[in-house]
Amino acid sequence: EIVMTQSPDTMSVSPGERVTLSCRASQSVYSNLAWYQQKPGQAPRLLIYGASTRATGIPARFSGSGSGTEFTLTINSLQSEDFAVYYCQQYKNWLRAFGQGTKVEIK
Amino acid sequence: QLQLQESGPGLVKPSETLSLTCTVSGGSINNMNSYWAWIRQSPGEGLEWIGSIHYRGSAYYHPSLKSRVTISVDTSKNQFSLNVTSLTAADTAVYYCARPKEPSLPWFAFDVWGRGRMVSVSS
Repeated sequence: EIVMTQSPDTMSVSPGERVTLSCRASQSVYSNLAWYQQKPGQAPRLLIYGASTRATGIPARFSGSGSGTEFTLTINSLQSEDFAVYYCQQYKNWLRAFGQGTKVEIK
Repeated sequence: QLQLQESGPGLVKPSETLSLTCTVSGGSINNMNSYWAWIRQSPGEGLEWIGSIHYRGSAYYHPSLKSRVTISVDTSKNQFSLNVTSLTAADTAVYYCARPKEPSLPWFAFDVWGRGRMVSVSS
């Protein structure tokens, strides 16, 4: 069973700052890794898949990197609409696929 | 533009069966070689994939839920459905229907989601 661990649980950030979120897999998931953004009362929104490919319509300030067990989501120049919870998801297999989330809140 | 919409009860009693439906609009299930998925989100378990079904009927289920879950597809109504039996409070969650970014795979990143249906299990 693959366990996805995100860090930190919460980040307090000011608009305009650069944000780096981490996701670690307990075993290699190769590049089978996606990132989602979720706002209150909304469904998750796919940001990144294949570890580094932006989904359709996602702004260039969002970027993903990593492979194997260590992954990063970077948000350059955080905008007001970016305050949300971010989840990683491995799709190497379907057990315990999602991380617990990182909340990005206004400082 | 493909859209998904969940429907069903918001409150069900323990031990009963939950039935939810996802209506697909903006495309025909018959014309898309696609899997369709159910995912739920609860405070305790976070996001959890429940299962996926192909329009031709082949289905995959999360092992921990397999004994209680059935997913079916009704191409005439452009819908797919979720049944969960023997409900407990642990099944309280927001239930989402979704489609994978790579539609031909039952398990991938999901780029199309419904708005979600909150289901509470309580007497």
